[in-house]
Amino acid sequence: GAVVSQHPSWVICKSGTSVKIECRSLDFQATTMFWYRQFPKQSLMLMATSNEGSKATYEQGVEKDKFLINHASLTLSTLTVTSAHPEDSSFYICSAAGTVTEAFFGQGTRLTVV
Amino acid sequence: LAKTTQPISMDSYEGQEVNITCSHNNIATNDYITWYQQFPSQGPRFIIQGYKTKVTNEVASLFIPADRKSSTLSLPRVSLSDTAVYYCLVGDRDFQKLVFGTGTRLLVSP
Repeated sequence: GAVVSQHPSWVICKSGTSVKIECRSLDFQATTMFWYRQFPKQSLMLMATSNEGSKATYEQGVEKDKFLINHASLTLSTLTVTSAHPEDSSFYICSAAGTVTEAFFGQGTRLTVV
Repeated sequence: LAKTTQPISMDSYEGQEVNITCSHNNIATNDYITWYQQFPSQGPRFIIQGYKTKVTNEVASLFIPADRKSSTLSLPRVSLSDTAVYYCLVGDRDFQKLVFGTGTRLLVSP
């Protein structure tokens, strides 16, 4: 199947700093990318949907100024958690869809804010 | 968006067949049904996708009745490594939005 690479796999940062997570589709053009967060023992919660070259569409309750999403190319989307706080600690997962018949997911990023 | 309903958890033993049913009463004409598997601290992995009737691949079968208001993922002869959470998603192939339901936590015991 198609490959979606997410980086980093885990990151620890200090409260108040910003963290950028990258999501790359390695072998197909991803016209749409999704960002999720997942808390332990819970399902994936959709944060936002981004289409290449346009602004992301955020789900209700997700702060767009805190979770900055950029989808500048057909192979790369980034999620920046700005001024991170301990409550932002979570597992973040990206998904890419486009010239394929199903969406593919990255391996996830474990963010710990201390 | 078609909402999905699945059992929260299921238990099985090695070598048994496991069937997980998903209800999606509001499925639209253009919607496909896709199942994903997720292990702890990993992203979901595609298992199978179908539109109607039956689809089979090397790891699973997907049964979809004529009214398409439900679907059943069938895992033949499960092993311990099949312990995971299984998600049923419904959506069109334009992938306007991918929303996950609660998923089914499958525990396979020796």
